Amino acid sequence: GENVEQHPSTLSVQEGDSAVIKCTYSDSASNYFPWYKQELGKRPQLIIDIRSNVGEKKDQRIAVTLNKTAKHFSLHITETQPEDSAVYFCAASPGNQAGTALIFGKGTTLSVSS
Amino acid sequence: NAGVTQTPKFQVLKTGQSMTLQCAQDMNHNSMYWYRQDPGMGLRLIYYSASEGTTDKGEVPNGYNVSRLNKREFSLRLESAAPSQTSVYFCASTRIDRADEQFFGPGTRLTVL
Repeated sequence: GENVEQHPSTLSVQEGDSAVIKCTYSDSASNYFPWYKQELGKRPQLIIDIRSNVGEKKDQRIAVTLNKTAKHFSLHITETQPEDSAVYFCAASPGNQAGTALIFGKGTTLSVSS
Repeated sequence: NAGVTQTPKFQVLKTGQSMTLQCAQDMNHNSMYWYRQDPGMGLRLIYYSASEGTTDKGEVPNGYNVSRLNKREFSLRLESAAPSQTSVYFCASTRIDRADEQFFGPGTRLTVL
């Protein structure tokens, strides 16, 4: 089955710096890679996702890159702000069929200090 | 649209007690999921239901049962709670045309003493 590794487990940056979180996956059949942000005591919220037919996707200050050959994908946050502080989870999914489960990484706690 | 709702928000049980966690969605989604979240472990899939009338085991099903009551509702039952089941439980659902984009409920924080 799929296994997702996420690094680092904690990341501290100064406001305005960039943050990069990396994930690797094991199942070459996986073709959907979402990123979720979870604030303390709240539910995970989808912030960006990428499918295996593209290599990079951007949405304002966040971007995700995918290297399918190497089986890794990364989240990039530029110009970090204190409100970016949260736990970030990557996930991988083998397909778009009904009932396809997401396999999550263990999370990265991002702290942005002002 | 309330989205995905879960009850209760908090629950404390004694070892051996039973309880049912409720989940409902009003987005006409086909598939529903139950995850547990423990510190440092991420979200782990307990059970899922691809469609009404079907259920399947996930990564950590032991000690749990589920019921897909209808298209809207998917419940998780602990028959004999154990301290190892202390966790935050999240329900999620996906729509039929984007089966991999999951929407999460607010979670249930369960403590088993």
